[in-house]
Amino acid sequence: EDQVTQSPEALRLQEGESSSLNCSYTVSGLRGLFWYRQDPGKGPEFLFTLYSAGEEKEKERLKATLTKKESFLHITAPKPEDSATYLCAVRRMDSNYQLIWGAGTKLIIKP
Amino acid sequence: EAQVTQNPRYLITVTGKKLTVTCSQNMNHEYMSWYRQDPGLGLRQIYYSMNVEVTDKGDVPEGYKVSRKEKRNFPLILESPSPNQTSLYFCASSHMTSGRLTPTWEYFGPGTRLTVT
Repeated sequence: EDQVTQSPEALRLQEGESSSLNCSYTVSGLRGLFWYRQDPGKGPEFLFTLYSAGEEKEKERLKATLTKKESFLHITAPKPEDSATYLCAVRRMDSNYQLIWGAGTKLIIKP
Repeated sequence: EAQVTQNPRYLITVTGKKLTVTCSQNMNHEYMSWYRQDPGLGLRQIYYSMNVEVTDKGDVPEGYKVSRKEKRNFPLILESPSPNQTSLYFCASSHMTSGRLTPTWEYFGPGTRLTVT
């Protein structure tokens, strides 16, 4: 069964304390892996798409990496404004329009 | 400003009373989609549209209808709402990712919180 699992469910960090969020997936062929950020009461905000193992993308303090089984979202020296729920989703090779979503990791950065 | 708008933002209704949630985008995107988000379940796709008059079912289409008569609008219709449709609903739009022939779903609306009693 296709599945996307994010861990941990919640993560509390001090400002400046770097860490990583994990997204592991089991699908029959990966067509793309997507990361989004969601603030309370708002819609998801697109961050990155990764297509092949070894690919990396960066945006400000965020860096996403991809292997054949999982993706990591590395957060370097986070600030309180990085607090949000981070969502991961994957697209199967035989799908054009649909994504399989993880439940998210709630990240809290304390000042 | 590029945006996806949804109305209403909050709606409380009773079982069986037909309702429509509107979605509009100002980016001339071909692709639009509806999702519902429930605690612990992640986002689930209800319907999507590839262009005007072209729609298809997502993962959880039962109890919902959609139409795409204009490129910018993609309303979600609940003909006879039931309590299990209480959820947070998001509309999304996207252009085709260059070279990939697939949407990225990079723009989401602010959400509509629906309660059916």
